[in-house]
Amino acid sequence: EIVLTQSPGTLSLSPGEGATLSCRASQSVSTRYLAWYQQQPGQAPRLLIYGASRRATGIPDRFSGSGSGTDFSLTINRLEPEDSAVYYCQQYGGSSYTFGQGTKLEIK
Amino acid sequence: QVQLVESGGGLVKPGGSLRLSCAASRFTFSDYYMSWIRQAPGKGLEWVSFISSSGGYTNYADSVKGRFTVSRDNTNNLLYLQMNSLRAEDTAVYYCARDYDVLTGSIYYYMDVWGRGTTVTVSS
Repeated sequence: EIVLTQSPGTLSLSPGEGATLSCRASQSVSTRYLAWYQQQPGQAPRLLIYGASRRATGIPDRFSGSGSGTDFSLTINRLEPEDSAVYYCQQYGGSSYTFGQGTKLEIK
Repeated sequence: QVQLVESGGGLVKPGGSLRLSCAASRFTFSDYYMSWIRQAPGKGLEWVSFISSSGGYTNYADSVKGRFTVSRDNTNNLLYLQMNSLRAEDTAVYYCARDYDVLTGSIYYYMDVWGRGTTVTVSS
């Protein structure tokens, strides 16, 4: 099973700043199978990025994904208060999915 | 718009059973794989199971294998999760999610539509 490790655990930033969230895999992951989700408090997760770098429908271009192999990142530019959430990376492999443990982003 | 609505959660004793349902609307249900994902209180997301578009192929997380069974009714646009031999550690919010799009033959795997979840509590 591929393990995804996200860092940092918590990130506290101000509106207007930029954030970079990391997702490291225990073995190589195809970019086709790497996605990012946002979960705001009390809500279901929402797809942000799929295929490592493709924005899902309706996701603003402040959100971008990059990476390959074992290292992937989610970048959020010009932070807004509503970006406060937990962000998860996810991979598909071996006929199963795994999620990272999440990064909590706080907007001060 | 495209919607998934889970139901069937509740309080059950350890060793008991529960069946969750997920009603899909406003998309061609039979064109998609479907997944169940759960989230224990204050914890992260854990994939539980998926089922192919026809229902002929399923897979499970090791933590539920042999206890949970996923199935679907493509005529009525319903997804199910039968949960047996429940344990305290199965306590979680259970989400259904739309998964792989068979019709387009996409090369990507992700979950683009999620329900709001249904809560399962296993406690004596």
